[in-house]
Amino acid sequence: NAGVTQTPKFQVLKTGQSMTLQCAQDMNHEYMSWYRQDPGMGLRLIHYSVGAGITDQGEVPNGYNVSRSTTEDFPLRLLSAAPSQTSVYFCASRGRDSWADTQYFGPGTRLTVL
Amino acid sequence: GQQLNQSPQSMFIQEGEDVSMNCTSSSIFNTWLWYKQDPGEGPVLLIALYKAGELTSNGRLTAQFGITRKDSFLNISASIPSDVGIYFCAGYTISGSARQLTFGSGTQLTVLP
Repeated sequence: NAGVTQTPKFQVLKTGQSMTLQCAQDMNHEYMSWYRQDPGMGLRLIHYSVGAGITDQGEVPNGYNVSRSTTEDFPLRLLSAAPSQTSVYFCASRGRDSWADTQYFGPGTRLTVL
Repeated sequence: GQQLNQSPQSMFIQEGEDVSMNCTSSSIFNTWLWYKQDPGEGPVLLIALYKAGELTSNGRLTAQFGITRKDSFLNISASIPSDVGIYFCAGYTISGSARQLTFGSGTQLTVLP
């Protein structure tokens, strides 16, 4: 199993540009989440999904969209990038019947918005 | 939303020393977790705690779920260079049918040879 994969690993955008951060998992996990990590602030939940076709907002959803058309993929879209979205983005997944001890994180996408 | 206060923010210790870090909150948590993050990687779970008062060890790591369910600590004994990284506490609360995971701000650990 590859676990949780994220692409790209690094990205630089100009203000106003759009892009999609990709996340995929091959563990057949129902739950998937997107977090952003900023210095001194830990990880904050952006959006999450409890299964294909179901998404919900987390703590900091503004400026981001998600969709979950398949169990494996959970892309995060920035429609109009802003400098405040410069951050490291982590995708995570876990199975339905498992608690947090089986939540797996991807390696992260480092995004800079100029 | 829920908030976790993690301290200290950073630590510089000599190899072989013991380390202690903790998290506190004004809210009650159902589960406490401790993660480690290496540079350029995502967080990896170290220890999970599920009951108030629970004390759990994982090698040189020991963590406890506070009796009040509002705090937790992590101890690392006999530190080694590979312990370097950022340590995060995290806690689950249950709101209706949803479980919300909140992270602390992290403790940056540096181990000096």
